[in-house]
Amino acid sequence: SAVISQKPSRDICQRGTSLTIQCQVDSQVTMMFWYRQQPGQSLTLIATANQGSEATYESGFVIDKFPISRPNLTFSTLTVSNMSPEDSSIYLCSVDLHRGGSYGYTFGSGTRLTVV
Amino acid sequence: RKEVEQDPGPFNVPEGATVAFNCTYSNSASQSFFWYRQDCRKEPKLLMSVYSSGNEDGRFTAQLNRASQYISLLIRDSKLSDSATYLCVVSERGGADGLTFGKGTHLIIQP
Repeated sequence: SAVISQKPSRDICQRGTSLTIQCQVDSQVTMMFWYRQQPGQSLTLIATANQGSEATYESGFVIDKFPISRPNLTFSTLTVSNMSPEDSSIYLCSVDLHRGGSYGYTFGSGTRLTVV
Repeated sequence: RKEVEQDPGPFNVPEGATVAFNCTYSNSASQSFFWYRQDCRKEPKLLMSVYSSGNEDGRFTAQLNRASQYISLLIRDSKLSDSATYLCVVSERGGADGLTFGKGTHLIIQP
């Protein structure tokens, strides 16, 4: 079955710096999704990344803070910019490997970010 | 605003017992429904999709009531390995807009 590779798995970063998270899928997918899971909370959708167009951001998330790249159908990056301790979270990418969405989505293993 | 509500628990259940979780969703336009399982410090993994006719997968049974906007998950003959957080998830447009997650119900199976 298809595999999603996400890296880094974890990082500890200084406030004010930026971190880029990578997500690689071993099959072509139209849409990739980026989620955030804050401590003790469930997942919140940050944005949807389509190849060849700008990402679509959910309410409360902006491109300047979370720029996304989607250079091809198997890869995407999410950057957390100008980090503050409030950005400490798990960040996950997700794809619909079965097409159509009705079979659920598969997640990368997540990036555990701590901002100090 | 799209919301998915779950009882956070924890549910402490003896091994072998039957346990049921419930979930309600606010967006009547939701089309797809799922239960995900999340183990500590791991990513969520799809447990099962939920269909209007109800569906069963081994010890797990899921039900959907569209009129009441209510989803349930039943686990029979619970195992120690069932201990996890169970996330109720809904989506519109077949998931093209991403998924909306409940905060999860924490289940602890006790020996």
